[in-house]
Amino acid sequence: DQQVKQNSPSLSVQEGRISILNCDYTNSMFDYFLWYKKYPAEGPTFLISISSIKDKNEDGRFTVFLNKSAKHLSLHIVPSQPGDSAVYFCASRKGGTSYGKLTFGQGTILTVHP
Amino acid sequence: DADVTQTPRNRITKTGKRIMLECSQTKGHDRMYWYRQDPGLGLRLIYYSFDVKDINKGEISDGYSVSRQAQAKFSLSLESAIPNQTALYFCATSSQFGTSYYEQYFGPGTRLTVT
Repeated sequence: DQQVKQNSPSLSVQEGRISILNCDYTNSMFDYFLWYKKYPAEGPTFLISISSIKDKNEDGRFTVFLNKSAKHLSLHIVPSQPGDSAVYFCASRKGGTSYGKLTFGQGTILTVHP
Repeated sequence: DADVTQTPRNRITKTGKRIMLECSQTKGHDRMYWYRQDPGLGLRLIYYSFDVKDINKGEISDGYSVSRQAQAKFSLSLESAIPNQTALYFCATSSQFGTSYYEQYFGPGTRLTVT
C-alpha cells in the first residue's frame, strides 16, 4: 500500500523555466511533508518542508504547495538551473507520534537542460 | 568530515553469505534508521532505533537484523543474502529535540550486489 505516490518517474525542463514536481498521499494522519533531493552517489538531502496547517512555504527558488482536500503537494522550482538535476523524493510524517518516521514516495528524476 | 558515514560504500557478495553494513554518526542524534532504495520504489524503511535500547521493525524487515552498539553506531546485517536484496542502502539520523525534529540526515549509501 503506497501511501505516498509520485506518479511521474521523470521530468525534463529547460533552464530558466519552471519545474513542477507532484506528490499525492492517501493517509489523512500525515501532518508534515518534506522534499528531499538526491544526487548520484550521495545520500538524500533535505530541501524544504511544510506543515499541514499551511498551504504554502517558500525558500528562495523553491516553493512547496499543499492542497489538503486533494491530498496533494507540489514542489515548484523557479527558475530551474542545470544544478537542480537530481532525484526528488517527497516524504510525509504521521501526526500523533513523536517517532519521526517518514514515508517516502518513489522519486522523480528531474533533468534541467542548459 | 561527513556527519553520517557508511561502510562499505560498495559490496559484492554471494547468495547465502552473511554481510554487515555499518553506520556511524557524529551529529549526536538519538534516532537512527536503515532504508533501502530500489528503482521505482523509492526509499523503504527496514529498521529504526530511537535510542540504544529501542529497536523497531520497519515496513520491510524480513531477512534483515540490526544492532545499535552505541548512540552513534547502528549496523544492518543480512544473515543469508539473497539476490533480491541487491539495492542501495541508506542510513539516516534524526533528533527528537529542536525545531527540526522531523528532518532526517542521510549517509552516502552502500551499494550492495548479491550474486
